[in-house]
Amino acid sequence: GAVVSQHPSRVICKSGTSVKIECRSLDFQATTMFWYRQFPKQSLMLMATSNEGSKATYEQGVEKDKFLINHASLTLSTLTVTSAHPEDSSFYICSAPHAGGINEQFFGPGTRLTVL
Amino acid sequence: AQTVTQSQPEMSVQEAETVTLSCTYDTSENNYYLFWYKQPPSRQMILVIRQEAYKQQNATENRFSVNFQKAAKSFSLKISDSQLGDTAMYFCAFMSNNAGNMLTFGGGTRLMVKP
Repeated sequence: GAVVSQHPSRVICKSGTSVKIECRSLDFQATTMFWYRQFPKQSLMLMATSNEGSKATYEQGVEKDKFLINHASLTLSTLTVTSAHPEDSSFYICSAPHAGGINEQFFGPGTRLTVL
Repeated sequence: AQTVTQSQPEMSVQEAETVTLSCTYDTSENNYYLFWYKQPPSRQMILVIRQEAYKQQNATENRFSVNFQKAAKSFSLKISDSQLGDTAMYFCAFMSNNAGNMLTFGGGTRLMVKP
């Protein structure tokens, strides 16, 4: 099956710093990737759709200046949490649909962000 | 907009027994896909089973099967011969045929398999 990786798997940072999370499709190309946020014991909440070669599409209520998304290539999307605050602490997951049109998304293992 | 509802926040089942997780959804579309994902303690999302709305036959994957009722907009997951490794969060998800592969998730059901 297709593999999606995320780096780092966990990160702890001080309040006010910026953190970059990478999402890579390892064995397939992805023109679109999705970024989710998951609070403990809750479902995945879609934050934004990352589009290769164009601007990301953000869901309502998600601050685009706070969560910067860059889809640099057909295998890499990055999410940068700018000026992180403790309330940004969460589990962030990316996914990518296989470009082969099989209507299935493949998920990264997630990144646990803790802001002190 | 589509919504997905899982009415059972938590469920438990004895090992080797059968359990059914409920899922209902709301959509005005006719062509779409439905999924069940498993999220174990590692938090890696794993696809359990998928169903294309245009197919009347219920999908089956080994011990996992679905009861897809299109008219009722219901998509339940049956796990037979439950195993300890089935303990996880289970999410029902909807994908429109024309929304760029975007998934809408239900709130999840926490399943505990007891020895």
